[in-house]
Amino acid sequence: GESVGLHLPTLSVQEGDNSIINCAYSNSASDYFIWYKQESGKGPQFIIDIRSNMDKRQGQRVTVLLNKTVKHLSLQIAATQPGDSAVYFCAERWGSSASKIIFGSGTRLSIRP
Amino acid sequence: ETGVTQTPRHLVMGMTNKKSLKCEQHLGHNAMYWYKQSAKKPLELMFVYNFKEQTENNSVPSRFSPECPNSSHLFLHLHTLQPEDSALYLCASSQGGHQPQHFGDGTRLSIL
Repeated sequence: GESVGLHLPTLSVQEGDNSIINCAYSNSASDYFIWYKQESGKGPQFIIDIRSNMDKRQGQRVTVLLNKTVKHLSLQIAATQPGDSAVYFCAERWGSSASKIIFGSGTRLSIRP
Repeated sequence: ETGVTQTPRHLVMGMTNKKSLKCEQHLGHNAMYWYKQSAKKPLELMFVYNFKEQTENNSVPSRFSPECPNSSHLFLHLHTLQPEDSALYLCASSQGGHQPQHFGDGTRLSIL
């Protein structure tokens, strides 16, 4: 079946370094992708999104890259800070229905001082 | 503050109890969702409401009963739950399909 997966369940990064979190998707019809951050005890928080007609989008300290050829999505966090510690999910959507969405299982990002 | 408020934050109930989870969104969105989040599993979509009409029931057991009286409020009525229903239940809202969903902080449900 269609699925969204993450290459690594955990990622440890030195404070100040850049973080890269990867996500693979299998539904070629997906046309909208979202990254979420979930801190302990909280719900997922929207970080950044990208539509399939783009291959890169930048936000504040974050960049999302989309490679439709290999069905790969990545989230880059610049100058990682302790507050970036969380679980990061990618999600893919397709079609106009609000229900056509699949979430990945998440990558836990931990920051070394 | 995400604009989506869920109550209660924690709930412990027996298998024979009846309880309800509440969600309210202050974002003016037209779609609301219930998700189940279990440990080490991806978010599972349960129900979707668009303009108060249920548009998706993702094969959820009938012991979970949603209610959406208006575009700002969503309830999940619980009855005769099982221990495997213990999880974090998240509510979300969005403005249409190709817009990000905004989540509440969830209700941590424990079934004794």
